Amino acid sequence: QAQLVQSGAEVKKPGTSVRVSCKASGYIFTNSGVSWVRQAPGRGLEWMAWISAYNGNINYVQKFQGRVTVTTDTSTSTAYMDLTSLRSDDTAVYYCGRGPGLRDWGQGTLVTVSS
Amino acid sequence: DVVMTQSPLSLTVTLGRPASISCRASQGLVHSDGNIYLNWFQQRPGQSPRRLISKVSTRDSGVPDRFSGSGSGTDFTLKISRVESEDVGVYYCMQGTHWPYAFGQGTKLEIK
Repeated sequence: QAQLVQSGAEVKKPGTSVRVSCKASGYIFTNSGVSWVRQAPGRGLEWMAWISAYNGNINYVQKFQGRVTVTTDTSTSTAYMDLTSLRSDDTAVYYCGRGPGLRDWGQGTLVTVSS
Repeated sequence: DVVMTQSPLSLTVTLGRPASISCRASQGLVHSDGNIYLNWFQQRPGQSPRRLISKVSTRDSGVPDRFSGSGSGTDFTLKISRVESEDVGVYYCMQGTHWPYAFGQGTKLEIK
């Protein structure tokens, strides 16, 4: 069955950047996009972006425009999310999901931003 | 942007009794392809979310049939026919019709 495995937890200082990876298996990667969603501690789910693994089309939520970049590497069925200019309120669990409908989810990556 | 509003935000239900969660969209969710991309997710404590239902009423594989989704226009409902202990968690609706896609605030389900 489909599986999404994300990279491990990160601790970052304010103003720096983080890269989270998401390796897909068990399905044809180029048939589905990859979505990125985050969840701050004790809070709800928040959309960030999604990218088509078929043609590379990308949609970003305006709140993150200019700070987030999502990419895919179809040769390794891996998606990446880069977030720059980190602030303390970027502390959250970051999830990747299969397709814009989030059919399957990764295990989450905790990113902690602290000085 | 479409705003998704869930109610109630918290729900306490006796084991074996039904539960119902409402989700209202600030505008209609019919896509240009004719589909309504309204999904429901369950997030158990300490776990990643899991999709239960897509396109209003289609249960994902492995989802117990006590979960059902319904609705049209701007009003949607998730129903659990008989709540079990494993249903504890937070439930989110999500619209995937108009970008930016959006989740509701979440409804926390507890067992009495």
